Amino acid sequence: AQSVTQLGSHVSVSEGALVLLRCNYSSSVPPYLFWYVQYPNQGLQLLLKYTSAATLVKGINGFEAEFKKSETSFHLTKPSAHMSDAAEYFCAVSDKAGNQFYFGTGTSLTVIP
Amino acid sequence: DTAVSQTPKYLVTQMGNDKSIKCEQNLGHDTMYWYKQDSKKFLKIMFSYNNKELIINETVPNRFSPKSPDKAHLNLHINSLELGDSAVYFCASSQDSLFRGTGELFFGEGSRLTVL
Repeated sequence: AQSVTQLGSHVSVSEGALVLLRCNYSSSVPPYLFWYVQYPNQGLQLLLKYTSAATLVKGINGFEAEFKKSETSFHLTKPSAHMSDAAEYFCAVSDKAGNQFYFGTGTSLTVIP
Repeated sequence: DTAVSQTPKYLVTQMGNDKSIKCEQNLGHDTMYWYKQDSKKFLKIMFSYNNKELIINETVPNRFSPKSPDKAHLNLHINSLELGDSAVYFCASSQDSLFRGTGELFFGEGSRLTVL
C-alpha cells in the first residue's frame, strides 16, 4: 500500500524567503512522486515529478524537489518566495503502472509581503 | 486547446435532484478518473476507468454512477443529491509510462457542485 504525508497544513513565508514544503511517502515498490499546485478556483497543475531518473528534480516556477530514499522524503523547495506562489500544494505518489495515485492532504502556502 | 475539459463549471441545485458532469480529454490517454475535493481541500479518488473499463471504484454511494462511452469521455451522474455532495469534482486523465505515457495526472478545471 502507498500513502503520502504532508507535514504542515499551512505554511507562511515572507516574500523572498526560502519555501520548504514537506512530503514523506510510504511505498512497497519504487514509486513515482509528484508535486501539484492548485491556485484558487483552478484545477491541479503539475509542478514536477520524480520517475527514478535524477534524484534532484527541477520543475516550473523555480521549484525543485529531492528524492531521498533513505528518508522516504520528497520535499519541495524554492529559494525565494514570490507573492504569486501563494496556493495549495499537493504531494502525490503512484506506482510505476500509473493507475493509482495517492495524494497528501495538501499544504496551503501563504506569502507575506 | 484544453487537454481535459469538464462541464459545467458550476452547478447549483436542490436536494433530491439529479445532475450530470461531463468530461472529455483530447490527450489520447487510456485512463480517466473522477476525484472529489471537499471544503478542506482533501482529494479523494472516486472512480477510475481504463479503456472504458472500470478499474477503481472506491467506497462511493451508489447514487454516483460513472459512464465512459469511449476512452476520451468519462461522465458522472449523481442521483438524489444530498447536502454532503457539495464539493468540487475533478476529472483527470493519465497514460502510464509502460504505454508510452508520461505517468502524471492531467486535471480538468473542476466542477463546483452546490446542493441547497
